[in-house]
Amino acid sequence: NAGVMQNPRHLVRRRGQEARLRCSPMKGHSHVYWYRQLPEEGLKFMVYLQKENIIDESGMPKERFSAEFPKEGPSILRIQQVVRGDSAAYFCASSLSRGSSYEQYFGPGTRLTVT
Amino acid sequence: GQQVMQIPQYQHVQEGEDFTTYCNSSTTLSNIQWYKQRPGGHPVFLIQLVKSGEVKKQKRLTFQFGEAKKNSSLHITATQTTDVGTYFCAGYDYTGKLIFGQGTTLQVKP
Repeated sequence: NAGVMQNPRHLVRRRGQEARLRCSPMKGHSHVYWYRQLPEEGLKFMVYLQKENIIDESGMPKERFSAEFPKEGPSILRIQQVVRGDSAAYFCASSLSRGSSYEQYFGPGTRLTVT
Repeated sequence: GQQVMQIPQYQHVQEGEDFTTYCNSSTTLSNIQWYKQRPGGHPVFLIQLVKSGEVKKQKRLTFQFGEAKKNSSLHITATQTTDVGTYFCAGYDYTGKLIFGQGTTLQVKP
């Protein structure tokens, strides 16, 4: 059973470019979460999605960031017009269902570097 | 909003020494989860505690949930170099979001 997959693992973008991060949840999981981790810091919740629906995006910056989880294909976190402050590790996690009883399985992350 | 705080932020120990990290929440938690992240890696689920005062063991790791369900601890007995990494506690807030502590990074000197 394949785990959570993320690609690319490393992404370098110049300021002003767009970054697209992809996440395929574990088989059978329909709940996806995106987190951002700055160097030597904890994980900060960004957004929670189910298939075709954004359930909670309270952790997403209001501008330049968007997320989707289409009916077919991976979840995508999109960052437009990247700035240096967007440099971080972005982790995707999936769970079987929502609620505190369910553990989240994390992908290997995408390390974004903005030059 | 809910905050989850961990101390210490860093801990250096000699191999064979014990290690403890503490986690405190500003609000009562329904449960608490612990994750480990190796350097350059991703968080890996270790355990979940649900009941007040619960204690669980995994080999040399002992996890405890406080009586008031607002604090937790992870204790490692006789550390090994394989224990190196950052240990995070996490609790769900009232909206269902998982809130992570800032983590405790453990270095083990051989």
